[in-house]
Amino acid sequence: GESVGLHLPTLSVQEGDNSIINCAYSNSASDYFIWYKQESGKGPQFIIDIRSNMDKRQGQRVTVLLNKTVKHLSLQIAATQPGDSAVYFCAEIGGNAGGTSYGKLTFGQGTILTVHP
Amino acid sequence: DTEVTQTPKHLVMGMTNKKSLKCEQHMGHRAMYWYKQKAKKPPELMFVYSYEKLSINESVPSRFSPECPNSSLLNLHLHALQPEDSALYLCASSPRTGLYGYTFGSGTRLTVV
Repeated sequence: GESVGLHLPTLSVQEGDNSIINCAYSNSASDYFIWYKQESGKGPQFIIDIRSNMDKRQGQRVTVLLNKTVKHLSLQIAATQPGDSAVYFCAEIGGNAGGTSYGKLTFGQGTILTVHP
Repeated sequence: DTEVTQTPKHLVMGMTNKKSLKCEQHMGHRAMYWYKQKAKKPPELMFVYSYEKLSINESVPSRFSPECPNSSLLNLHLHALQPEDSALYLCASSPRTGLYGYTFGSGTRLTVV
């Protein structure tokens, strides 16, 4: 079935380093991608999103890159801080009208980011 | 108000109990969702409501019964649950189904004993 997955389940970095979290997706009809941060005991928190007609989008300390050719999504966090430690999920909304995934927000497996002081 | 509020935050129930989870938003969103999240796993979609009508049921067992009394409220009625149903239950809303702007609540941590 359609899926959104991640290459690395865990990532450890030093405070101040840049972090890169990767995600592979298989639904070529997806037209909208989102990165979420989930801290322990909390719900997913929106970080940044990107539409399929874009390659790159920047926010505050975060950048999302989309490579539709290889169906790859990445989240870059600049100057990572201890407060960035969390589980990061990529998610996609299916865009194929009439398909079983149309309009559904589907999550990838997640990456645990640990930032050491 | 830009939040999705879920109550209770924690719930312990026996397998013969009946309980309900509640979710509320006042952002004017017309799509609301229930997700289930097991430990160290991503959230999995259970139900989608669009304009107070159930539009998607992801083959969820009937011991889970959703209800959308109005555009701001979403309930999940629980009955005869199993220990494997223990999980974090997340509510979310968005302006319309399948659009940007999903907002998640903090969830209800459910333990079935």
